[in-house]
Order: sequence, then structure tokens, then C-alpha cells
Amino acid sequence: EVQLVESGGGLIQPGGSLRLSCAVSEFTVSSNYMSWVRQAPGKGLEWVSVIYSGGTTYYADSVKGRFTISRDNSKNTLYLQMNSLTAEDTAVYYCARIGHHGNSYGYFDYWGQGTLVTVSS
Amino acid sequence: DIVMTQSPATLSVSPGQRATLSCRASHNVYSNLAWYQQKPGQAPRLLIYGASTRATGIPARFSGSGYGTEFTLTISSLQSEDFAVYYCQHFNNWPVAFGQGTKVEIK
Repeated sequence: EVQLVESGGGLIQPGGSLRLSCAVSEFTVSSNYMSWVRQAPGKGLEWVSVIYSGGTTYYADSVKGRFTISRDNSKNTLYLQMNSLTAEDTAVYYCARIGHHGNSYGYFDYWGQGTLVTVSS
Repeated sequence: DIVMTQSPATLSVSPGQRATLSCRASHNVYSNLAWYQQKPGQAPRLLIYGASTRATGIPARFSGSGYGTEFTLTISSLQSEDFAVYYCQHFNNWPVAFGQGTKVEIK
């Protein structure tokens, strides 16, 4: 059974840093496009970042320059390094595998259960 | 960036009735459109991709249609487990974007 398990969330002060992890089983992270999607409390879904199988990365403007997506192939794990956090970053963060339709990539076919990040003093 | 707009914000439907949800893209996204269902405290679940292809294990009562900028998700006969929030999402290019969601509630 495919599983994505996030960890690393918690309470952090504004300006702080946090690293989220997403451990994956039953498929290889490095062979897939992988993404982070977040959801602020009571709000909708917001795409955060993507890493291609070849290593190319993209970020939402709201996190560009502050967040870094990466992976550890030996651990089959996806990461999100978050720096300079603000209250607006408070959300449940989901990791997700990206599916493809023809030559178009970008929908999310498998999701983790999410990890809550709360930025507050 | 492409903006996704869903309507209505809330849809009140009786069990067994049909529900029709709309999604509009600010620019042409061709068939690069997905639909998700989310229940409280749970991760989103992929229902439809490519505007009309059901994901693995999704019941046939869920169907998607549309192309370009106008899309529809239809639930033919609402079951109790279908009351949830539904999101559309384009994946035509980065940044991908979600609509704000439609809550389907029991009438």
C-alpha cells in the first residue's frame, strides 16, 4: 500500500526555521515528481513547491527564497526546509505525489496525512 | 498566473439527488483539470484528472466534464459519504492552483 508520512511540524516562533519530512513507501521518490501543498486553518489548498525526478524545482511566489524542497534518495524521503517563517505560513502541510495526464504533470494522486505547522510567539 | 473560481460556495442537496459543481479558469487550461474531495480532518482525495478521467477506485456516480475554461463535476446520486468539500485544480503550468472549494451539505 502506498504511504506518505509527514513529520516535523510543530509550534515555531516568527522568524524561525523548520524542516518537514515525508517518508514514502511503495514507490520511489526520485523517480516521481513530488510536491508540497498546504492548507491554512479553515482555508483552501495552496500549492507550495515541486521537485521533478530530474531535480528541477519550482516554488510558489509566497515561499520563494525562504523554502527549499529536496529529497534523500537513500531514505526515499522528501523534505521541505522552511526559513524566515511568518504567521501566514501557519498551515497543515501535505506532501503529495504528482500524476501525469499525457504530457501534463501537476495533479496530486497520492497524499500524506499532513503535519501542522503553527507560527506564533 | 491562472485563477480558479468555483461555484457555488455551498450546495445543499438531499441524499439521492444530483449535485452539479462548477469551476472556471481565468485562462485556457485545455483538459488539465483535476477534482478532489476533502472531508474534515482528512487529506484531499483525487477524484478526477484530465477533466473527465476517474481516478482509481472512484465510483461511477462521480463524473467530470468540460474543456478550456469551464468545467463541471457531477455527482449523480449523492450518498451520505459524499458530503464534503470539493476542490478543482488546474495543472496546465506552474504555479498550479486550486479553486476556493464548494461545500456540499445535506439539505
